[in-house]
Amino acid sequence: DSGVTQTPKHLITATGQRVTLRCSPRSGDLSVYWYQQSLDQGLQFLIQYYNGEERAKGNILERFSAQQFPDLHSELNLSSLELGDSALYFCASSVEAGGVELFFGSGTQLSVL
Amino acid sequence: EDQVTQSPEALRLQEGESSSLNCSYTVSGLRGLFWYRQDPGKGPEFLFTLYSAGEEKEKERLKATLTKKESFLHITAPKPEDSATYLCAVEPSGGGADGLTFGKGTHLIIQP
Repeated sequence: DSGVTQTPKHLITATGQRVTLRCSPRSGDLSVYWYQQSLDQGLQFLIQYYNGEERAKGNILERFSAQQFPDLHSELNLSSLELGDSALYFCASSVEAGGVELFFGSGTQLSVL
Repeated sequence: EDQVTQSPEALRLQEGESSSLNCSYTVSGLRGLFWYRQDPGKGPEFLFTLYSAGEEKEKERLKATLTKKESFLHITAPKPEDSATYLCAVEPSGGGADGLTFGKGTHLIIQP
């Protein structure tokens, strides 16, 4: 158990809908990352927060947004969902903003039908 | 643009048959190279961090090495429980502004 909690584990929804994925980092970790994993693209970095502030942005679509709350948990919002958004979404946390290992949650499997 | 290429894509070994996985990378200054293990349906699990060429780290049957252009994950006398996908990732020295760049992984199967 990495100590990173993601909910829900599975999510099935329809095209055009909006969903929210939730992540609680390891105790003491200030940095939270979101990654998308698909069979053809592998793990793709979406966005990073550090102590409530956006730190880095990767290949995140404009339809997606995220935030980190004062209690350090994070949410990833996906809207106007398309079939191609179906993937595993991972949250990871680390004690510092970079240069250290990430601890990953078990992921949320999103299926858009 | 940072790039990570892992080879082979898949590898099937007999129990006890040692081998090496390759990770070739292109990055504008390396802050760290990371190896992770991922089991089906689970998140990646951290194995090693390497920071400079010539560095080596070991954990049980695994040993990771680093040069200026590539990293190797050597697996010695593997057991079936070592079956997993092994991921390599790099963090550029520019402060990780792009997060970690992952390779697509090597899917390793160890047959009893």
